Amino acid sequence: AQKVTQAQTEISVVEKEDVTLDCVYETRDTTYYLFWYKQPPSGELVFLIRRNSFDEQNEISGRYSWNFQKSTSSFNFTITASQVVDSAVYFCALGSNFGNEKLTFGTGTRLTIIP
Amino acid sequence: KAGVTQTPRYLIKTRGQQVTLSCSPISGHRSVSWYQQTPGQGLQFLFEYFSETQRNKGNFPGRFSGRQFSNSRSEMNVSTLELGDSALYLCASSLTPRGPETQYFGPGTRLLVL
Repeated sequence: AQKVTQAQTEISVVEKEDVTLDCVYETRDTTYYLFWYKQPPSGELVFLIRRNSFDEQNEISGRYSWNFQKSTSSFNFTITASQVVDSAVYFCALGSNFGNEKLTFGTGTRLTIIP
Repeated sequence: KAGVTQTPRYLIKTRGQQVTLSCSPISGHRSVSWYQQTPGQGLQFLFEYFSETQRNKGNFPGRFSGRQFSNSRSEMNVSTLELGDSALYLCASSLTPRGPETQYFGPGTRLLVL
């Protein structure tokens, strides 16, 4: 069975601070896919990034960066110089080519940026 | 390109009633998945449709059903509503059902069962 753990339930930081959201996953599949989604108060899940299991390169997109480490089964997300607009719930998700679940989500991390 | 749309956005029903939710995928997307989000259980996969066929189903009772039309639009139905069915129902679409395809989500339908 697949599992995604986001141990941080809530995080609050002051604006302009850097913050890292942790994600640890479990899967027996050799090929799998990891995702991060952002859910603002409106409810819609906004796609942020997809990473394939065979591509361990870290990625940076503006203030966002992702650190994928297969050795520790982690896919952490860092926001640099946080802004109030970053306040949302962030979900890490795991997908594969097999099994019945389309995506397995973590429980989410509620991030609050204090102005 | 328009995103995933879901109707209605909000719904209030009473126990025992049934409800139908609608989802229109992004143009060209042929796979539609449904998820239920509750404070207690988080985001849980309901089912996935592709080419009008259900491909996968999550661990939900038979009261939850769905279908997909030839234009890829999808509906989900919940019969004999229970209080625990109160949730945000999210629809997601992707080009195909293949694993690496990114799913794009709609704004959700917030269902309240009284």
